[in-house]
Amino acid sequence: GNSVTQMEGPVTLSEEAFLTINCTYTATGYPSLFWYVQYPGEGLQLLLKATKADDKGSNKGFEATYRKETTSFHLEKGSVQVSDSAVYFCALSDSRSGYSTLTFGKGTMLLVSP
Amino acid sequence: NAGVTQTPKFQVLKTGQSMTLQCAQDMNHNSMYWYRQDPGMGLRLIYYSASEGTTDKGEVPNGYNVSRLNKREFSLRLESAAPSQTSVYFCASSPTRAGQPQHFGDGTRLSIL
Repeated sequence: GNSVTQMEGPVTLSEEAFLTINCTYTATGYPSLFWYVQYPGEGLQLLLKATKADDKGSNKGFEATYRKETTSFHLEKGSVQVSDSAVYFCALSDSRSGYSTLTFGKGTMLLVSP
Repeated sequence: NAGVTQTPKFQVLKTGQSMTLQCAQDMNHNSMYWYRQDPGMGLRLIYYSASEGTTDKGEVPNGYNVSRLNKREFSLRLESAAPSQTSVYFCASSPTRAGQPQHFGDGTRLSIL
């Protein structure tokens, strides 16, 4: 079956530091890949997505590249801000299913200090 | 511009009580989903409805029932609540076509004593 593995957190950084959150996946089809962000007390918001190999998703300074050869979709940001503190979820959607059911990783908490 | 609306936002129940969590979306999406979120577990799919009139079990369906009332509304029912069902419940919706992102509500925080 499908699965998503994320690095465990919390990840603690100072403002303006470089961020990487690792995500690897296992899927038998050709999944679409997503990063979602969850701020305290809120639901999940789509941060970025990529639908095929070598696609790069980007939004709000965050980037992730769909690497089929390493089955990875690592999230990066060049300079984090305190407002980026949140929980980040990597997820995949199996295109074979015909639906949009998502398989999530367990989430990585990011804490950014001033 | 409501998106996905869940009610209630918070609820405390006693073991054995029943409750229905409500979800409505205004984005004309065909598919809707219910997840639970527990610490260290990520989100786990309880039930989903690919289109109006259909429902299917997800990863953790035991102890829950769902109703797709119409295209907009998808409710989750706990018939006899148990402490193990203490969790944050999220509803989501998406277009049916595979690979489309899901849009989430703000969640219902449910405690069962």
